[in-house]
Amino acid sequence: GDSVTQMEGPVTLSEEAFLTINCTYTATGYPSLFWYVQYPGEGLQLLLKATKADDKGSNKGFEATYRKETTSFHLEKGSVQVSDSAVYFCALSDSGSQGNLIFGKGTKLSVKP
Amino acid sequence: ETGVTQTPRHLVMGMTNKKSLKCEQHLGHNAMYWYKQSAKKPLELMFVYSLEERVENNSVPSRFSPECPNSSHLFLHLHTLQPEDSALYLCASSQNRGTNEKLFFGSGTQLSVL
Repeated sequence: GDSVTQMEGPVTLSEEAFLTINCTYTATGYPSLFWYVQYPGEGLQLLLKATKADDKGSNKGFEATYRKETTSFHLEKGSVQVSDSAVYFCALSDSGSQGNLIFGKGTKLSVKP
Repeated sequence: ETGVTQTPRHLVMGMTNKKSLKCEQHLGHNAMYWYKQSAKKPLELMFVYSLEERVENNSVPSRFSPECPNSSHLFLHLHTLQPEDSALYLCASSQNRGTNEKLFFGSGTQLSVL
């Protein structure tokens, strides 16, 4: 079945450092790919998405490119801030999951001043 | 504020208790979901409602019983739970059910079963 694998956390960075969180997927069809973010004490919020190969999703300085050849959707940000501290979830949705979102385990990011 | 409200925020219950979790959305969405979030595990989809009809039940034990009385409200009724059911329970909604739909999540109910 469909699945999402994220890099294990936690990840601790200093402010202004470069961030990469790896995400790879397995899907039966042609999935849409998502990154959701969960700030402390809150529910998940959509951060960005891409619906087809080579699409780049971007929001709040974060980017991720849909790579079909490597089945990956890595999240990147050039300069993180303390306010980016949160848990980041990679997810996919396709016909194999009946349109339901399949999530990874989440990666906790802590940014130190 | 995402437009999805869950109550209570925290709940402690014994294994013989009966309690209910409530979720409310006034976004005009047609699909609503219950997810379970446990430490070091992916979010688990429990139930899906589309247009107030349950369309998916992911092999959830019968001690969890969902109810969707109208398009704005979703409940999760709990009875005779086990300690391993302790988790954060998240409600979400989307305009419709589909592969490109954006989900809006509530802040969750942190459940502890003693």
